[in-house]
Parts: sequence; structure tokens; C-alpha cells
Amino acid sequence: IAGITQAPTSQILAAGRRMTLRCTQDMRHNAMYWYRQDLGLGLRLIHYSNTAGTTGKGEVPDGYSVSRANTDDFPLTLASAVPSQTSVYFCASRQGSASTDTQYFGPGTRLTVL
Amino acid sequence: AQSVAQPEDQVNVAEGNPLTVKCTYSVSGNPYLFWYVQYPNRGLQFLLKYITGDNLVKGSYGFEAEFNKSQTSFHLKKPSALVSDSALYFCAVREGGEGYSTLTFGKGTMLLVSP
Repeated sequence: IAGITQAPTSQILAAGRRMTLRCTQDMRHNAMYWYRQDLGLGLRLIHYSNTAGTTGKGEVPDGYSVSRANTDDFPLTLASAVPSQTSVYFCASRQGSASTDTQYFGPGTRLTVL
Repeated sequence: AQSVAQPEDQVNVAEGNPLTVKCTYSVSGNPYLFWYVQYPNRGLQFLLKYITGDNLVKGSYGFEAEFNKSQTSFHLKKPSALVSDSALYFCAVREGGEGYSTLTFGKGTMLLVSP
């Protein structure tokens, strides 16, 4: 069982370029999440999706968009990257809607915007 | 709004000694509390969670955490630290109730265990 995979592992991107970070899970989990991790700030939620076909904004959604066409995939797109989007990005998933459910995380994508 | 505070950026402990990583939380309803660990260049791994029942929760790798409702705390503990426990630890809270709700993370505490 692979769990959650993210691609690419790392990327250096010129400012102004468009970039899509990929996230795929094979656990058939309903909910999926995108976080960014920055030193001293912990993890901050960017966008989430409770089920396929629905998405919602998290704490820091500006400059990012997501889609959830099916259960397994949850890509995160930076339409026009800026240096402040340099970060480590983590995708996560959760099986159900119960508040007790555990979230599981992917290995992360390290993105540098120059 | 829910929030989590991890007051220590870093905790240093000698191998074999007990360790504590502190966490306090704020929610308007019943809290569901989680601890995750992150090793270098890896994603977060689930350690343990408190949902209800016994205030002392046991998790992976010999870790445990104690829920204290009056102090709104959920400190992570281990009786005897290992060098391999050195990592970044995150506390998180989710408010209980029906339907989906999001998880709020603390800023993390770096645990360094010296030989």
C-alpha cells in the first residue's frame, strides 16, 4: 500500500511560472488537504476537499487553487508563483467525517520560487 | 476558533531521561487532540490521539500523552528518551461534532536527545 504520493519531490521555479503539485492517495479516503510548512509557523492549511467534487479554502488560500475530480487525486496549482510561496508542501487525507479520524500525510514537495 | 500552542521551540534531553513536550489548546467544544512526529525530510507521522475516556493515552514508539481538561493541556511524554526520538513534534486539535472539521496544528517543538 503506497498511501499518499506527492510529485515532484522538489522543484525550483522561476517567479511568474505556473506549477501544479500532484497528490494521489490509494486509501479511498474521502477528505484531502494541502498544507504548507514554514519555519516558525508550523503547518498551515491551504485548501481542503471533504469529498470528490467539493473544495474549500483554508487559512492561507491566496495564490493557490485546487480541484477534486475524483477520490484519489488532489492537485494544487500555483497560477503565477511568487517567492513567498517557497515552502514545503504536504498533502494529507482522512477517511471519514468523524472528528476522531486520523489524518495521514504524504512525504512532501519542497518548492523554491526564485 | 480553535488554536494550539506549543510554548517551547526546542527541548533538549539526555538519552535515558524522561521527556515532556508541552501543548495547550483552545476550542469552544469538546477537543480531539493529536500528536504527530516529523523526521528530517519526511512527512508527518501519527503518534497518538485523545478522543474520550482515559486521560492517559498511549501511542507509538513508547510515547504517551496526558489530557488535562482543567489546564487545557495535552503534553507528550516518554519515560526514557532515545537518540532516535530526535525529531520535530506537532500537537494538533480538532473540535468535536458532526461532519467534517479541519485540524489546527501548533508550530512544532524540536526535540533533541543527546547521547
